[in-house]
Amino acid sequence: DVKVTQSSRYLVKRTGEKVFLECVQDMDHENMFWYRQDPGLGLRLIYFSYDVKMKEKGDIPEGYSVSREKKERFSLILESASTNQTSMYLCASSSSDIYQPQHFGDGTRLSIL
Amino acid sequence: AQKVTQAQTEISVVEKEDVTLDCVYETRDTTYYLFWYKQPPSGELVFLIRRNSFDEQNEISGRYSWNFQKSTSSFNFTITASQVVDSAVYFCALRNNAGNMLTFGGGTRLMVKP
Repeated sequence: DVKVTQSSRYLVKRTGEKVFLECVQDMDHENMFWYRQDPGLGLRLIYFSYDVKMKEKGDIPEGYSVSREKKERFSLILESASTNQTSMYLCASSSSDIYQPQHFGDGTRLSIL
Repeated sequence: AQKVTQAQTEISVVEKEDVTLDCVYETRDTTYYLFWYKQPPSGELVFLIRRNSFDEQNEISGRYSWNFQKSTSSFNFTITASQVVDSAVYFCALRNNAGNMLTFGGGTRLMVKP
């Protein structure tokens, strides 16, 4: 079974802090994704990566950056956290085979005070 | 641009009732893929089904069934004889043939009461 692991289930940070959310997958997947989930809006894509050191902006990249130094790890960075970034963050991975689904982690519920 | 609409934000049923979750999509592509995911209270999205645009056969898996109709751009999900364990948020999603990005609907929260 594919396992996508997010480093924290719950995180509380303060406005202006630099925040790192970590995600690791164990299936050697090429693609990795970061989404945020807000009530009524579903999941919105922040960034994705299709290879090491490669990244592409999703629908809502403003205020975020990402890092992929190793194939199994994809980090989401909030450079200067703001209260409107309080949300549930979900990481996903998939192989390069477009028939295959994305596999998701348990999510990190981030609160910015 | 792609769009997925799940008009039902919340549905509440009593155990053993049948329930249908609606999904309507918009895309200009002729080849695309539709997905349903379940998100239980634990938070992890669990993949349920994938359907290709060129395969309009409906599918049944136990108590779950899916009705794909290209003519109405809909991909509805029916749970027969619902159970309390079916309580979750369900998401419909669309991916085009060009890449791996998914467009999600807003989700439907299903509450099954004993």
